[in-house]
Amino acid sequence: EPEVTQTPSHQVTQMGQEVILRCVPISNHLYFYWYRQILGQKVEFLVSFYNNEISEKSEIFDDQFSVERPDGSNFTLKIRSTKLEDSAMYFCASSWPSGGHQPQHFGDGTRLSIL
Amino acid sequence: GENVEQHPSTLSVQEGDSAVIKCTYSDSASNYFPWYKQELGKRPQLIIDIRSNVGEKKDQRIAVTLNKTAKHFSLHITETQPEDSAVYFCAASPPSNFGNEKLTFGTGTRLTIIP
Repeated sequence: EPEVTQTPSHQVTQMGQEVILRCVPISNHLYFYWYRQILGQKVEFLVSFYNNEISEKSEIFDDQFSVERPDGSNFTLKIRSTKLEDSAMYFCASSWPSGGHQPQHFGDGTRLSIL
Repeated sequence: GENVEQHPSTLSVQEGDSAVIKCTYSDSASNYFPWYKQELGKRPQLIIDIRSNVGEKKDQRIAVTLNKTAKHFSLHITETQPEDSAVYFCAASPPSNFGNEKLTFGTGTRLTIIP
C-alpha cells in the first residue's frame, strides 16, 4: 500500500535556526496538509495546500512558516526562525482529490526538537 | 472555528469487553468524521470514518454512530483485543472545498486492554 514518507525522522536544531521538513505524498494525491502534535497533546492543523497554493492556514501558521511544492513529488514545511515552542512532532498528510472527503493518509512524522 | 471534545481521556477495559469513546463537535456545518488510531511514536492511522448523511457505519469489530442533531459521534469497539491498546482520536471536517478539508481533532483517548 502506498505511504506518505517524511524526512528526517528526527531533527534537532538550535533556537533561531531555520528548518525544512520534507514530505513525499502518495503519488496521485493532490491535497496536502501539515499538522503538528506537541508531546502528549492532540494533533493540530497547520496548513492545507492545493494547486500550488495555500487553501487554509491556522493561527499557528504565522509568518515564520511557509510551505512549498518544489517539484512534482516533494512537499516541504519551512520554519524560518525556530522557537522553543516549535518543538513537536510534525505530520504531513495527503488525500485524493474527489468530490467529497477522502481519507487523509499520514506520514510517520518528523520529531523536531529545538534547543 | 470548530471545536471537538472527546471523552474519556483514558479507558481501561478487560479483553473481550466493549469500549466506547464519545466526541462532540460545535460546527453544525461539519460533515465528515474520521477516527484515527495512534500507537506510541507512530503515525495516526485511519480506522473508520462516517459522513453526515449516514447514522451508523460498521467494519468488523468497529462501529461509529453519528447524531447530527445532538452533534455527537461515538466509536464502538467490540470483543477488544490487546492490539487495540492505543490512543484514539476523533476528528471533524467542514464540507469539502478544493483541498480545504482540514481536520479538527479531539484530545484523544488512551485505551488500555487488560489481558
